[in-house]
Amino acid sequence: DGGITQSPKYLFRKEGQNVTLSCEQNLNHDAMYWYRQDPGQGLRLIYYSQIVNDFQKGDIAEGYSVSREKKESFPLTVTSAQKNPTAFYLCASTASRSYNEQFFGPGTRLTVL
Amino acid sequence: KNQVEQSPQSLIILEGKNCTLQCNYTVSPFSNLRWYKQDTGRGPVSLTIMTFSENTKSNGRYTATLDADTKQSSLHITASQLSDSASYICVVSADSNYQLIWGAGTKLIIKP
Repeated sequence: DGGITQSPKYLFRKEGQNVTLSCEQNLNHDAMYWYRQDPGQGLRLIYYSQIVNDFQKGDIAEGYSVSREKKESFPLTVTSAQKNPTAFYLCASTASRSYNEQFFGPGTRLTVL
Repeated sequence: KNQVEQSPQSLIILEGKNCTLQCNYTVSPFSNLRWYKQDTGRGPVSLTIMTFSENTKSNGRYTATLDADTKQSSLHITASQLSDSASYICVVSADSNYQLIWGAGTKLIIKP
């Protein structure tokens, strides 16, 4: 899992609640990413950030929000507007928005009760 | 539409045997192709990366091949071990906007 940590590992949410997933990296990487992984599907990009205080929507940003106030931190909030939030969420980082290898955190499994 | 398709969806082999996983892509313009290994409940870890000009790349018992003409890649695992049980994901990078297109993965199970 390199120098990327995600917490918590498991998270349970009641319908209508917002929850925030943590992602921290100590690799001094510029770019950070959030993916969602569902069974039988490829990873889908939610949001990414190339520099502090800047981020862009990925392919499935609806119902999610992010912030990038510090280089090492990129938290993801799953809002009540996300209709099907139960999934495995992965955070990744690269040295720059380039073809460099993406290093992944261990993931957070979110379950909506 | 940029797509990456992997086959088979799942594969069960005996420990010590070899196996080959397939990846077909329709990404254009092509930049590079990676294979990742993902253990259950963990984040993916990169195995190999290949650019347009590379045909073969090895990482221990893992050997990846790339045929840019037919847009096919394979990952060959030699003398499989129980620790090879994982999902193997093919990822293609599009040159135009650094977009990554992820395959759904092949779930490999090694039985003793």
